[in-house]
Amino acid sequence: NAGVTQTPKFQVLKTGQSMTLQCAQDMNHNSMYWYRQDPGMGLRLIYYSASEGTTDKGEVPNGYNVSRLNKREFSLRLESAAPSQTSVYFCASSEVGAKNIQYFGAGTRLSVL
Amino acid sequence: DQQVKQNSPSLSVQEGRISILNCDYTNSMFDYFLWYKKYPAEGPTFLISISSIKDKNEDGRFTVFLNKSAKHLSLHIVPSQPGDSAVYFCAASPAGEYGNKLVFGAGTILRVKS
Repeated sequence: NAGVTQTPKFQVLKTGQSMTLQCAQDMNHNSMYWYRQDPGMGLRLIYYSASEGTTDKGEVPNGYNVSRLNKREFSLRLESAAPSQTSVYFCASSEVGAKNIQYFGAGTRLSVL
Repeated sequence: DQQVKQNSPSLSVQEGRISILNCDYTNSMFDYFLWYKKYPAEGPTFLISISSIKDKNEDGRFTVFLNKSAKHLSLHIVPSQPGDSAVYFCAASPAGEYGNKLVFGAGTILRVKS
């Protein structure tokens, strides 16, 4: 059972380049999330999808877009990467009502030069 | 404005002793609290949680205490083991939030010395 799978694990971009971070879960969860982790800041919510077909902004959505492709997959897109988007990105999923427990992927470490 | 605060960036404890990690929150609408553990190069994993209707929840070596009036919770690990060395995140969930949104603290690095 793979849980939450994120690709790629590492990526280096130049300022202005675009890329999509992929996330897939095999736990049949309804809700999925994208976070970024920065030193001294903890995990901050970028976007979330409460259920298939819906997406909403989190705390730090600027510069990002998301797509809930189906129940399993939730992608995060950077249209024009900036150095401020250098971070570690985590995808998570949960079942609505399941005591708010979210299950996380291993993360994508992104550097924007 | 951080709604969930972990004021100790790091904590060092001797193996076999108690580790106490603290967390404060400011939003009185939070009604569910969780602790996550994170090893380097891995994602956070759920450790233990507590509902606002309780003041204590225990799971093996891990106990979480909640003091609602002080808006404070703590995680006790007894006895501490070297494998407990990790970053611990406190998280809180607002009441009625559809989609289970969580607000995380900045984390505390725990080092257990053998």
